Amino acid sequence: DVKVTQSSRYLVKRTGEKVFLECVQDMDHENMFWYRQDPGLGLRLIYFSYDVKMKEKGDIPEGYSVSREKKERFSLILESASTNQTSMYLCASSLSPGSYNEQFFGPGTRLTVL
Amino acid sequence: DAKTTQPTSMDCAEGRAANLPCNHSTISGNEYVYWYRQIHSQGPQYIIHGLKNNETNEMASLIITEDRKSSTLILPHATLRDTAVYYCIVRANNFNKFYFGSGTKLNVKP
Repeated sequence: DVKVTQSSRYLVKRTGEKVFLECVQDMDHENMFWYRQDPGLGLRLIYFSYDVKMKEKGDIPEGYSVSREKKERFSLILESASTNQTSMYLCASSLSPGSYNEQFFGPGTRLTVL
Repeated sequence: DAKTTQPTSMDCAEGRAANLPCNHSTISGNEYVYWYRQIHSQGPQYIIHGLKNNETNEMASLIITEDRKSSTLILPHATLRDTAVYYCIVRANNFNKFYFGSGTKLNVKP
């Protein structure tokens, strides 16, 4: 089974802190994704990566950056956390580009910024 | 990218078939319809996808209308564990991005 793991299930940080969310997948997938999920807004794509050291902006990249130094690991970075970044963060991975590659999701990290 | 429209919530009796509709009237010819579900406090889980033909797997069936403007996900014998939010998604032309809407909250009741 594909496994996507996220470093924390729950995280509490203070405004202005630098926050790292880590995601690891064990199936040698090319693509990795970061979403945030908020009530009434569904899932929104923040960033994705289709290869090591490659990244593409999603729909809401402002206030975030990412890092993909190894194929299995994709990090989301909040340079200076703000209260409006309180959310559920979901990481996903999928095989190489194709019309029917399902995404496998991690369990999510619920981040609270105080 | 095609948008999807789903009812906000639905109820279904345990053991009965759950039929979840989705409208995607602006879908393009090469766009697939995907269904995912999200059980409370978990990440979304893939269920099924299709292009034109009806599809069936061990979890569900997907019925796509001939004009492809709508589809229905069928859970043939719903159980309490099927209580979740179900997302109908049309795959974006742009790479592997999936646009998740608000989904349908399916409540399976005993």
